[in-house]
Amino acid sequence: DGGITQSPKYLFRKEGQNVTLSCEQNLNHDAMYWYRQDPGQGLRLIYYSQIVNDFQKGDIAEGYSVSREKKESFPLTVTSAQKNPTAFYLCASREYGRGNTEAFFGQGTRLTVV
Amino acid sequence: GQQVMQIPQYQHVQEGEDFTTYCNSSTTLSNIQWYKQRPGGHPVFLIQLVKSGEVKKQKRLTFQFGEAKKNSSLHITATQTTDVGTYFCAGPLGNQFYFGTGTSLTVIP
Repeated sequence: DGGITQSPKYLFRKEGQNVTLSCEQNLNHDAMYWYRQDPGQGLRLIYYSQIVNDFQKGDIAEGYSVSREKKESFPLTVTSAQKNPTAFYLCASREYGRGNTEAFFGQGTRLTVV
Repeated sequence: GQQVMQIPQYQHVQEGEDFTTYCNSSTTLSNIQWYKQRPGGHPVFLIQLVKSGEVKKQKRLTFQFGEAKKNSSLHITATQTTDVGTYFCAGPLGNQFYFGTGTSLTVIP
């Protein structure tokens, strides 16, 4: 069953701690994205990657880091430098370079920092 | 900054009324997509428009892509409670994939 999986669904962390959110896809998609969604807000792009071992900053990359060591995986680390990390984080993937294709989303991770 | 804006941000309608959300991009888009996010869920793809002036229908939903390929609209006829959620437009801008600010629809039974 193909899809994109995010884990965990809910995550609680103390202020000052780094935390890593997992995103795995078995759709063989080249492009992967991380978005942040705050209550009542749209999706803001954090980082994106079009190919293994390459990634670019989105609009709100400060305080976040990513890696793309494998095509299937695109983990996001929320560092202690992120001033307001509590939010809903969504990972997405889509084909790239083959015209216009839809994005598939994971179920999201709701991060709460206390 | 946000390059794809949607209006309105929120819309409350009585069940059976129509609903429209508008999407405007600061730059020309090669295509525009629409997604629906149910409360507590993740965005799910609805449709893609590619051609200038294109109109597509899905049952009670009508999607339109502007002539200049910088704006789009989604119209729902005779809303139902199952239409509740946030509707996003989205499109590629350079190497990025941007989502609009979204319109949250509440349907009052």
